[in-house]
Amino acid sequence: KAGVTQTPRYLIKTRGQQVTLSCSPISGHRSVSWYQQTPGQGLQFLFEYFSETQRNKGNFPGRFSGRQFSNSRSEMNVSTLELGDSALYLCASGGQGAPGYDEQYFGPGTRLTVT
Amino acid sequence: DQQVKQNSPSLSVQEGRISILNCDYTNSMFDYFLWYKKYPAEGPTFLISISSIKDKNEDGRFTVFLNKSAKHLSLHIVPSQPGDSAVYFCAASANSGYSTLTFGKGTMLLVSP
Repeated sequence: KAGVTQTPRYLIKTRGQQVTLSCSPISGHRSVSWYQQTPGQGLQFLFEYFSETQRNKGNFPGRFSGRQFSNSRSEMNVSTLELGDSALYLCASGGQGAPGYDEQYFGPGTRLTVT
Repeated sequence: DQQVKQNSPSLSVQEGRISILNCDYTNSMFDYFLWYKKYPAEGPTFLISISSIKDKNEDGRFTVFLNKSAKHLSLHIVPSQPGDSAVYFCAASANSGYSTLTFGKGTMLLVSP
């Protein structure tokens, strides 16, 4: 099976712009979660989608949003970018739907740099 | 408020010896714990997990121990190999019905030949 893919791998944006990141989960996985990794904060949970519905959301401002499509692919959008949004954004897909106990499989991440 | 803590930012071990990575948690609702390994420029890779109904789980060179009363878990790697050098993240999940993981900040393990 192909793993989790994320596009683009690297991105440079200017403060105030918006950005959309894409994630394709492992075939058959219906859960997609997004995490932000920064050197100071480690991995922080952004949100999780299951069957096109947001099931849970982390403690991030409303500038961070996401969605999931019927084929389980997910996108994450950040509007009005700030310098502090520079981070590695990781997408993870989970198993067939058993909630709460899935091992999550991570993509390689998108490295976003905001200048 | 950090619910999952890895108090050692780094650990150095010689090849062949045991590596012990520690993790503490504060949320008593956590009942499933996982360890991930991460190389630079790659996403975390799932290593091993343990449910709160167990106190030990073993997979090859990797063993995870859980002490629920102390809210502490540890990952043992025996014997350590240079290829084990990476950042190790401890993560926890609560029985909330959601696939949400709370991660520690990671411990960088360096295994020297």
